[in-house]
Amino acid sequence: KAGVTQTPRYLIKTRGQQVTLSCSPISGHRSVSWYQQTPGQGLQFLFEYFSETQRNKGNFPGRFSGRQFSNSRSEMNVSTLELGDSALYLCASSRSSQPYEQYFGPGTRLTVT
Amino acid sequence: GIQVEQSPPDLILQEGANSTLRCNFSDSVNNLQWFHQNPWGQLINLFYIPSGTKQNGRLSATTVATERYSLLYISSSQTTDSGVYFCAGPGGSQGNLIFGKGTKLSVKP
Repeated sequence: KAGVTQTPRYLIKTRGQQVTLSCSPISGHRSVSWYQQTPGQGLQFLFEYFSETQRNKGNFPGRFSGRQFSNSRSEMNVSTLELGDSALYLCASSRSSQPYEQYFGPGTRLTVT
Repeated sequence: GIQVEQSPPDLILQEGANSTLRCNFSDSVNNLQWFHQNPWGQLINLFYIPSGTKQNGRLSATTVATERYSLLYISSSQTTDSGVYFCAGPGGSQGNLIFGKGTKLSVKP
């Protein structure tokens, strides 16, 4: 079974621009979560989607948004990029029934200049 | 959500040595995972272990839910074991994990 895939793997953007990252979960997984990893803050939860609905949201500004499609693929968008948004963005998927073990994709490394 | 603390923050071992990594959490958990982050940033699943003991090759993990801690044992360490090890517990919903700050392991040849 194929794992979680994320595109693109690397991205360089300029302050003020916006960016869209994509995540395809493991086949059959309906929950998709997004995390941000930075050296200073570590791994932080951004949001979770289940059946096209945002089920939970972390403590991030409204510039961070996401959505999920009917095939469970998910996208996250960051608008008006700031230097501090430079990070590794990780996507994870899990089943809709126990065990709720999360499986992570390879990540998208975003650099904002 | 819970708070997750990992120790030690850094660990340097000689190849072949054994090690124990610890994860303390502030409340009871029904979901506890251990990950290894490789040099390219991907989180590799090691164990899903809300309670009890599991083993996978040279690695094993034990979670004592009543005492709110989990241990990851690495035996006969190899240089390929180097990297950062994270434990994570539930943050209030199924798809929300709260991570510890990690243990950075360096295995020297």
